[in-house]
Amino acid sequence: GENVEQHPSTLSVQEGDSAVIKCTYSDSASNYFPWYKQELGKGPQLIIDIRSNVGEKKDQRIAVTLNKTAKHFSLHITETQPEDSAVYFCAASISSNYQLIWGAGTKLIIKP
Amino acid sequence: KAGVTQTPRYLIKTRGQQVTLSCSPISGHRSVSWYQQTPGQGLQFLFEYFSETQRNKGNFPGRFSGRQFSNSRSEMNVSTLELGDSALYLCASRTTTGKNEKLFFGSGTQLSVL
Repeated sequence: GENVEQHPSTLSVQEGDSAVIKCTYSDSASNYFPWYKQELGKGPQLIIDIRSNVGEKKDQRIAVTLNKTAKHFSLHITETQPEDSAVYFCAASISSNYQLIWGAGTKLIIKP
Repeated sequence: KAGVTQTPRYLIKTRGQQVTLSCSPISGHRSVSWYQQTPGQGLQFLFEYFSETQRNKGNFPGRFSGRQFSNSRSEMNVSTLELGDSALYLCASRTTTGKNEKLFFGSGTQLSVL
């Protein structure tokens, strides 16, 4: 079946540095790729998404890139801040029913 | 606008019991989805309801069931609880189904099965 692999499972970066999280997906017909951030004690919240007709999308310090040929997409966070510490999930939509297949999550730790 | 509300926040049950979790979606949202979250496993899709009908179902045993009421509120039931059912159960709502759309999550119900 369809699956999404996410790496790394834990990422520790110095405050002010950049962080990159990568995901690969299996369904070549997937066309929607959101990223969610989950803070401690809360549910996931959408931070950015990209559709298959776009290669890159930016929103202030965060950006997502998509390589459809290689079937992978990445989240980039620049100038990391303490409030960026959270678990980040990538997902890919199933082309048949628009359900999302989720990656296992990346715990991002920002070191002061 | 109020967010997605899940009750209760924490629940402790013993093996063999059953449990019912509740979810109130954002006003105007007619789709409610349920997810199971366990450490290292990400989010596993349970089912989605729209207009009181189950539209999609994940790969979970029949012990997991749900329903949606006419006001879009949803409940999820797990019967004959097993230790492996211990998890955070998340509910998410969106305005409709059948297309890629932002999900709004509640804070979840943390279920512990002893």
